[in-house]
Amino acid sequence: RKEVEQDPGPFNVPEGATVAFNCTYSNSASQSFFWYRQDCRKEPKLLMSVYSSGNEDGRFTAQLNRASQYISLLIRDSKLSDSATYLCVVNKGGFKTIFGAGTRLFVKA
Amino acid sequence: DTAVSQTPKYLVTQMGNDKSIKCEQNLGHDTMYWYKQDSKKFLKIMFSYNNKELIINETVPNRFSPKSPDKAHLNLHINSLELGDSAVYFCASSPPGLAGSYNEQFFGPGTRLTVL
Repeated sequence: RKEVEQDPGPFNVPEGATVAFNCTYSNSASQSFFWYRQDCRKEPKLLMSVYSSGNEDGRFTAQLNRASQYISLLIRDSKLSDSATYLCVVNKGGFKTIFGAGTRLFVKA
Repeated sequence: DTAVSQTPKYLVTQMGNDKSIKCEQNLGHDTMYWYKQDSKKFLKIMFSYNNKELIINETVPNRFSPKSPDKAHLNLHINSLELGDSAVYFCASSPPGLAGSYNEQFFGPGTRLTVL
């Protein structure tokens, strides 16, 4: 079993749709969690950190369920510019960070 | 202006050659990383340095040797290149904090290595 697993997609959605991604992690001792975004042929960039209480940044909402060991990302009112690969990232403590393989999102007009 | 820079951006070379990739960050971060992203887009950590000291060394062939001359630089030297080394190599850095936890990583633009 991979340490961080994501549905690779692709998710094809129309503009304005709501889309949700899930990610599971295997190490129950994992300490911190993030969503990164990677555009085609570009470097990954932090989208948002994920906290136990859940957090929201504009159209983006991230949730963490420690009991079930999964993280989710919800995107509301999708824009064309949201098309990218979304990487689930888990820090196991110390400097070791594990990236999921990513979920590809295509938002179409 | 560039926060994390890498050179070269593209590298095409023959099998068996030795090559280096350079990385520099001007963010004042203590920790730097090398990642490999293969054709399946899976991003995997290779090495991490904190204050010029190697702290993570994943199961990477010893043909790969990182060097950190100072906190702002982390270079990657690859000996005897193989076809399977073809990938995009990303350098990243993160600010000091609780041993890297909770800290955002800032990535360089990547070096696309093609081994023929």
